Order: sequence, then structure tokens, then C-alpha cells
Amino acid sequence: KNQVEQSPQSLIILEGKNCTLQCNYTVSPFSNLRWYKQDTGRGPVSLTIMTFSENTKSNGRYTATLDADTKQSSLHITASQLSDSASYICVVSVSSNDYKLSFGAGTTVTVRA
Amino acid sequence: EAQVTQNPRYLITVTGKKLTVTCSQNMNHEYMSWYRQDPGLGLRQIYYSMNVEVTDKGDVPEGYKVSRKEKRNFPLILESPSPNQTSLYFCASSSSPWGGGVKDTQYFGPGTRLTVL
Repeated sequence: KNQVEQSPQSLIILEGKNCTLQCNYTVSPFSNLRWYKQDTGRGPVSLTIMTFSENTKSNGRYTATLDADTKQSSLHITASQLSDSASYICVVSVSSNDYKLSFGAGTTVTVRA
Repeated sequence: EAQVTQNPRYLITVTGKKLTVTCSQNMNHEYMSWYRQDPGLGLRQIYYSMNVEVTDKGDVPEGYKVSRKEKRNFPLILESPSPNQTSLYFCASSSSPWGGGVKDTQYFGPGTRLTVL
């Protein structure tokens, strides 16, 4: 069964600090990997999309990395802000006609002043 | 503004009382999905639709129904809700299947928090 596991489950950081979230997957065959940000009480919003051939993708202070050989991805948040407090979800797409998605359970990030 | 809307946003009901959660998108997307989100489990697909009058079961379809009579609307129906259907529900739309295409993404609605007593 295709699985996506994220760690840690939650973390608390001080404003201005950096943090890194992890995503390990067993999805095969792999098409692409996305990171979504979900603010409390709202739907997920796409942050980055990476294909097999990409190993880094940035969106402002968010940088995602991908190692397709080890099936690992990370999301790095630089100089965190209070608005970064949210859940971050890793989503992997299967390379097939229906692009089936596998969702991670998410990492909840709390940024404190 | 491109968006997916859901109504109601919050709903408290009792076991067995039929309810419908509406979903509408204004992006002319062919693909629409319903998900439920429970703590520690992530998003799980309930039903999906590839176009008008074309729907199919996702991973957790038991106890739910859907219909797609118009391209923009995709209501979720709970004929006889039970407490284990208490959850946060999201509707999503995309131009490629589930937004899984490389240049595409899913657009999610704001969510509907359902409590079944």
C-alpha cells in the first residue's frame, strides 16, 4: 500500500528561527510530490510541486527538497513568522493514468513570539 | 476570484437525520473530490467525479452519496449520519485528476465541520 509518513507530528519554534519538516514515502511509481500549507479552519493551499528530476523548489521562505532515490522530502522554513503557524501536508502522486494521491497526516507547526 | 465554496461551514446534527453539504467551484474544472480529515489520519478521499454524471468511490465511501448534475456543483449527501462521520470535510477541484498532474494542483474549499450526536 502506498504510504506517506511525516515527522515530527508537531513542533514549536520561536519567531525568526528555522525549522525542517520531513516526509518519507513508499509510493510507486512516483510522479510528483507536493507540500500544502493548511491554516487552522481553512483548506490546504499548495506551496511547492516537485517532479522526479527536481531536487529543490523554493516559494519565498519555504524550500522543499526531494531525494527520489531514498524517497524522502523535506520542507525548510526560514526565518519563521507567526503566520507560518499551520499544518503542513506532504502529498505524493502516483505515476499512472489516474494520478492517485497519497496524503501524509501532516506536521503542525506553532510559531511563538 | 477562483474559489471553491462549501456550505454550511459548521453543522451539528443527530444520528439518522439526512443532510447535504454543498460544494461549488467557479474554475470550470472537470475533476472534483470530497475528502474527510481526521486527527492523525490525514485527508482521505470519499468520492470523486471526473465530469458531469461521472462519479466513483474513493477510499472511504461507506455512508456517503454524491451527485454531479452540473459541472460546477458536487454535493455530498449523508442519508443517515452516524457519530463516526463526525469529521472535517473538504471539497476540492482541479483540471487534471485530483490535481496530480505536474502543472496542476487541487483547489480546496474552506471545509465543513460536521458533528453527529
